[in-house]
Amino acid sequence: KQEVTQIPAALSVPEGENLVLNCSFTDSAIYNLQWFRQDPGKGLTSLLLIQSSQREQTSGRLNASLDKSSGRSTLYIAASQPGDSATYLCAVRRLARETSGSRLTFGEGTQLTVNP
Amino acid sequence: NAGVTQTPKFRVLKTGQSMTLLCAQDMNHEYMYWYRQDPGMGLRLIHYSVGEGTTAKGEVPDGYNVSRLKKQNFLLGLESAAPSQTSVYFCASRGPWDEKLFFGSGTQLSVL
Repeated sequence: KQEVTQIPAALSVPEGENLVLNCSFTDSAIYNLQWFRQDPGKGLTSLLLIQSSQREQTSGRLNASLDKSSGRSTLYIAASQPGDSATYLCAVRRLARETSGSRLTFGEGTQLTVNP
Repeated sequence: NAGVTQTPKFRVLKTGQSMTLLCAQDMNHEYMYWYRQDPGMGLRLIHYSVGEGTTAKGEVPDGYNVSRLKKQNFLLGLESAAPSQTSVYFCASRGPWDEKLFFGSGTQLSVL
């Protein structure tokens, strides 16, 4: 059974700092990995998606990397801002075809606070 | 452009009562999903649908039923609510060729 772990559970940094959020998964046979952002009382917003054949994806100040063999992904946030404060979740999909076995497995997230 | 809309946003039920949560998407997405989010458990898939008229069980389907009579709507029903169903429920959708999931803002349900 796939397990996804995100450490630390919470992180507090001063504004302007570069930071890395970690995601690890137990089964390296994944189809893709996705990073989400969740604001309090809101749904999830997809930030970046990395296919299993890719090593990284970038969007603005965000960069996500994937090392399938070691079962790890990182989300790098450059020049953090107070508006980046949110919970960040990663999720892995095992199969391409949509079946119950291909469901997304989510980590519990890292709660990020960026202090002004 | 509304995206994924969930109603209601909050609800309190007594044990044994029934209710239906409505999810509507305006992006013509084929795939729709119902998740629940609980502290310490993360997000877990309840049921999903790969198209109009189809539904399938996810990871935690017991106590829930779903229907997808129209492509844009996905309903989640609780026939006899239990305190263990106290949770935040999220609906999500995506297109068949796009892995990016779009989520609704959630329904906070308390069962007393």
